[in-house]
Amino acid sequence: EPEVTQTPSHQVTQMGQEVILRCVPISNHLYFYWYRQILGQKVEFLVSFYNNEISEKSEIFDDQFSVERPDGSNFTLKIRSTKLEDSAMYFCASSARVMNTEAFFGQGTRLTVV
Amino acid sequence: GDSVTQMEGPVTLSEEAFLTINCTYTATGYPSLFWYVQYPGEGLQLLLKATKADDKGSNKGFEATYRKETTSFHLEKGSVQVSDSAVYFCALLPFQGAQKLVFGQGTRLTINP
Repeated sequence: EPEVTQTPSHQVTQMGQEVILRCVPISNHLYFYWYRQILGQKVEFLVSFYNNEISEKSEIFDDQFSVERPDGSNFTLKIRSTKLEDSAMYFCASSARVMNTEAFFGQGTRLTVV
Repeated sequence: GDSVTQMEGPVTLSEEAFLTINCTYTATGYPSLFWYVQYPGEGLQLLLKATKADDKGSNKGFEATYRKETTSFHLEKGSVQVSDSAVYFCALLPFQGAQKLVFGQGTRLTINP
């Protein structure tokens, strides 16, 4: 069964460092998403990406964040100058069409900023 | 704005017990409603969905009915198994074609043999 894979499963980084979270969406999917869940809080939408550009982003997704699909298979989330409050579980998702069809989620990357 | 509120967890039950996890929502339009499940070490998986009022979603013995009058989408199962232990997320899609899901905070369910 096709699946979304995320690497690494857990990343620890020092405050102020840049991190790149990687995702391989399902191969024939066209829409890609990042969500995050701070411990004990709700899963929050960060950004959606279609046709090589951001289609929607939340207020959380400020200039510290960027996404790209560098090679047609990977989908990355870059966080520049990480802060303690960026510590969270980050989920990547993909869907064949817009979100009203089933979105497939990865297992998540737990980011810990120390 | 749109929001989802789930029953606080964690929830611990014995095998074969009846399960209810409450979910209520606030939405300005006509949302679709979902339950996702996350088993240990895995991603979020769609468990069931309902796209309009009075629809019932069902899968793997779980059911939830879209109740517009009470703005609820409670998850139920008649007889839980140890393998149902997971975190359950209620979510809404604000309208057809929307880009983003709005999630509740998740409810951790543990089933003891």
